[in-house]
Amino acid sequence: QVQLKESGPGLVQPSETLSLTCTVSGFSLTSYSVSWVRQPSGKGPEWMGRMWYDGDTAYNSALKSRLSISRDTSKNQVFLKMNSLQTDDTGTYYCTRDRVRYYRGYYFDYWGQGVMVTVSS
Amino acid sequence: DTVLTQSPALAVSPGERVTISCRASESVSTLMHWYQQKPGQQPTLLIYLASNLESGVPARFSGSGSGTDFTLTIDPVEADDTATYYCQQSWNDPLTFGSGTKLEIK
Repeated sequence: QVQLKESGPGLVQPSETLSLTCTVSGFSLTSYSVSWVRQPSGKGPEWMGRMWYDGDTAYNSALKSRLSISRDTSKNQVFLKMNSLQTDDTGTYYCTRDRVRYYRGYYFDYWGQGVMVTVSS
Repeated sequence: DTVLTQSPALAVSPGERVTISCRASESVSTLMHWYQQKPGQQPTLLIYLASNLESGVPARFSGSGSGTDFTLTIDPVEADDTATYYCQQSWNDPLTFGSGTKLEIK
């Protein structure tokens, strides 16, 4: 069955770089796109960016200068790196499998359990 | 960015019908999707493309709308439906989510 699992440090110092890994199973990264979505506690989710099935990437313009998404298809992994972290980057980070229907019909049909990231000194 | 506005909270009794609204700051055609998030869990997909029920989701859930006004309906509501419900649009970049409607079952 489809599964996604995020991993990475739970605590990051301000101004440092966050590195997260999403390990997927039950589907191929060359057939489906994977997004990163984060959610501050008590707030709505925020789409961060996407690794397309063909290896291309797309980013939320608000984060584009700090964010990089890459992948290793041989390991079924998608990576997120975001630099210059601040306290308002604290929240739960999810990876999701994207489904696409028609033009721009992008939505998230499977989510990982999420990893809580706290930015604090 | 396209702002999605949702009412913060609703309280209903089991067996009742509840409608949860989502208003977009600009047209998103029918590219609106709905998620349920129970406390301490990840969101799960309920409705895609405004009115299509995701596989495995009970038929008590339905969605409607187009343009800027969308509705998620639960009929009848059950105790297990206690959760926060989010809308998400994909017509405009970047993809955005609403701030969520917290549903309490009395």
